[in-house]
This record gives sequence, C-alpha cells and structure tokens, in this order.
Amino acid sequence: LAKTTQPISMDSYEGQEVNITCSHNNIATNDYITWYQQFPSQGPRFIIQGYKTKVTNEVASLFIPADRKSSTLSLPRVSLSDTAVYYCLVSNNAGNMLTFGGGTRLMVKP
Amino acid sequence: DTAVSQTPKYLVTQMGNDKSIKCEQNLGHDTMYWYKQDSKKFLKIMFSYNNKELIINETVPNRFSPKSPDKAHLNLHINSLELGDSAVYFCASSQALAGGVYEQYFGPGTRLTVT
Repeated sequence: LAKTTQPISMDSYEGQEVNITCSHNNIATNDYITWYQQFPSQGPRFIIQGYKTKVTNEVASLFIPADRKSSTLSLPRVSLSDTAVYYCLVSNNAGNMLTFGGGTRLMVKP
Repeated sequence: DTAVSQTPKYLVTQMGNDKSIKCEQNLGHDTMYWYKQDSKKFLKIMFSYNNKELIINETVPNRFSPKSPDKAHLNLHINSLELGDSAVYFCASSQALAGGVYEQYFGPGTRLTVT
C-alpha cells in the first residue's frame, strides 16, 4: 500500500487560494488519488478524484505531476466554512486497497 | 434520506464486553467499508467488503469481525473490548463508475468509549 504524507496544519485567510500537497512516493500504477473533507463530528465527504494531470470540479482542482508521486488539492478563494480537515487517499482502481494520509487541518481566518 | 446510517451514534461500554455497530446504506452500492478514526484523527481502513470479497487490514485484531446479512448492511462485531478500541468508527459505501472513479459515502460515525 502507498504511504501518504500531508502537512499537519495550514492557515489561510478568506478569499485566498489554498494548496495542500500530499506525498505518495510509492504509488502503484493502478492507484487513484482522492481528497476528502471532514468537519467535526461528521464523516468525511468526497471532494475530488484524479489519476494524472489536472482535474477540476465546481469546488476544487487536483494537480498530479507526471511521476504521480505527489498531488496538490487547490481550493480557490476559501471561506470560513472551508475550515476543516482535508485527507488525501490513495487507493487502487477496485477501491478496496486504501491508505489515507494523516489529514491536514485547514484554518481559514477572517 | 440518509445515505449511510450507523447505530448507535454513541456507545459506552466496559472492557471485556462484546458489542456491535450496525451500518446500512440505501444507495445500492456494492462495496462497504469500516474505518477506525483515533484521537489523533488518523483514518485507518479496517475492512472492505462486497458480495464477492472481504479484504481485511492485517493490523486489525481478530476480535473485530464484519458481518453482512445483505448487500445494504455491514455490521461490525467486536469481542472482548479493550481500552485501545476507543475511537470513532465510520462505515462507508461506494460504487465503481466508469474510468475507475468512485466516491465513498461515509456514515456519521459511532463514538465508542471503552472504560
């Protein structure tokens, strides 16, 4: 299983772009990268998933370099409600071999 | 409509007891999971299960056992509870989509406290 490493915490201000990077040096060929958001006392919630290059949806972008040994979650113009813990997940394409990163606690300040 | 539900939400019990946590999903997904989240917020997969295959994380003690009466349910049984079992347990489900994309839907969690 791929080992995933993330920064423990990050601070930002409202309206800024936030980039959270996850390291997964031994990612396998058939592994995907997924990011989840978790608020206190709730289960994690899916944000975005990708395999390579760039993926964008209505809430975030995911950048994955060619060697796929890292990935960066980009949150444009964060608001106070984006304060949460963000998890990087590396998993195989069957979805049954999974490793979560330790989570990055994002604090958005006014 | 709750997509993934767990009961109970809180569970306080004594060491040595046997307990179960129930999970139900109404999404029609074919794969379900159990995760343990410790006090440091690390999320660790315990089991993944569909109607064909059970994958067990090798670090999970055999006191923990998943039981699936049908595709929509995956319950977690824990025997001989220990203090270190105190954590929040999350159930999740997913369905593979085209291109390898799948999204896990998590339940609200069960906070287990062993005294």
